[in-house]
Amino acid sequence: GQQLNQSPQSMFIQEGEDVSMNCTSSSIFNTWLWYKQDPGEGPVLLIALYKAGELTSNGRLTAQFGITRKDSFLNISASIPSDVGIYFCAVHGSSNTGKLIFGQGTTLQVKP
Amino acid sequence: NAGVTQTPKFQVLKTGQSMTLQCAQDMNHEYMSWYRQDPGMGLRLIHYSVGAGITDQGEVPNGYNVSRSTTEDFPLRLLSAAPSQTSVYFCATNDPGTGRYGYTFGSGTRLTVV
Repeated sequence: GQQLNQSPQSMFIQEGEDVSMNCTSSSIFNTWLWYKQDPGEGPVLLIALYKAGELTSNGRLTAQFGITRKDSFLNISASIPSDVGIYFCAVHGSSNTGKLIFGQGTTLQVKP
Repeated sequence: NAGVTQTPKFQVLKTGQSMTLQCAQDMNHEYMSWYRQDPGMGLRLIHYSVGAGITDQGEVPNGYNVSRSTTEDFPLRLLSAAPSQTSVYFCATNDPGTGRYGYTFGSGTRLTVV
């Protein structure tokens, strides 16, 4: 089946550092999504990307849709303790049929 | 601020018992789906629905049943619970009419099967 490879699996960083994580696939997708999950909660959408090459920011977060449509990255600048959580990339399995495919997640821990 | 409401939040079942996980939304979204989350595996799609009366299987449908009689509700039924179904279950919705695909998730049901 279709799979997303997300890396790294986990990160432990110092407050104030920048963070980068990425997601790759062997298949082409037309929509890439980045979610954050806080402990005990459901995923919350951070950034949605709809065009190859698109670079989108949301506060300290920046994400890009790879030009080949097979990858995406998420950067977090100047990390703070509340950035702690699990970050997931996700794509549409096919043209918006209600099917999202998720990466395995990147667990981020921030040391104050 | 309702959005997507999942009940119960926690449940312990004995092997072989059946139960229904509830999902209700007040956003009039056409699309609803169920995912399960297991450590290190991300979220995997169980069943999904593109509208009332229409359901289809996702990646891991075995042992689960769904129906969609109204736009608002999309219950997930465990027919005969097994320890392998111990997981966190999330319901998600989307309005395809917006052309945007930012699914809204509920806060989850944590299920333990003993």
